[in-house]
Amino acid sequence: QVQLQESGPGLVKPSETLSLTCTVSGYSISSGYHWGWIRQPPGKGLEWIGSIYHSGSTYYNPSLKSRVTISVDTSKNQFSLKLSSMTAADTAVYYCARDLDYGDSDYWGQGTLVTVSS
Amino acid sequence: QTVVTQEPSLTVSPGGTVTLTCASSTGAVTSGYYPNWFQQKPGQAPRALIYSTSNKHSWTPARFSGSLLGGKAALTLSGVQPEDEADYYCLLYYGGAQSHVVFGGGTKLTVL
Repeated sequence: QVQLQESGPGLVKPSETLSLTCTVSGYSISSGYHWGWIRQPPGKGLEWIGSIYHSGSTYYNPSLKSRVTISVDTSKNQFSLKLSSMTAADTAVYYCARDLDYGDSDYWGQGTLVTVSS
Repeated sequence: QTVVTQEPSLTVSPGGTVTLTCASSTGAVTSGYYPNWFQQKPGQAPRALIYSTSNKHSWTPARFSGSLLGGKAALTLSGVQPEDEADYYCLLYYGGAQSHVVFGGGTKLTVL
């Protein structure tokens, strides 16, 4: 059974950089697929942030590209998100997910709420 | 910036049929956009229902089907059940030099 679990701070100060990690169990990241991040502001819709292929190729939301870095650590079976220059508009539940291809995300983490506030 | 548009809300009676649509600001949606559909219930992570226009995951109930309709991607629910009340999101793939995917704004489906 594939499982994903997000971890990271629940509170980030404005202008700081958010760092989140997704730990995958039940499947080896190095075996394939894309691994992505999606967020959802409270009461609003889903926004795709970006994804990384198991080989390390990255794909980013054009509107967030200048602030986003996604990386993978196959030795720990984890992938990570860094989002810089955080503002209140970045307050959201952040999900990690396995993307089979073209956005078909079959397994998701439970999500972690990140609040941006001083 | 690419915009993907869905009906904000729809209401359907139990046992009825409803179709949700997904349009792209770039023009007609084709199979090359690999439309995906997700269901999300309150407090839960989204769940994948349909991929590549019309393909179902092993857990997708038979009453859900995906298609292309009038230049849009469509999700049809036939024989709606009370547990189908949820938010539904489509997702389209945009290829090219900066390939990426975009979620629609979501449709809140009420079963009443």
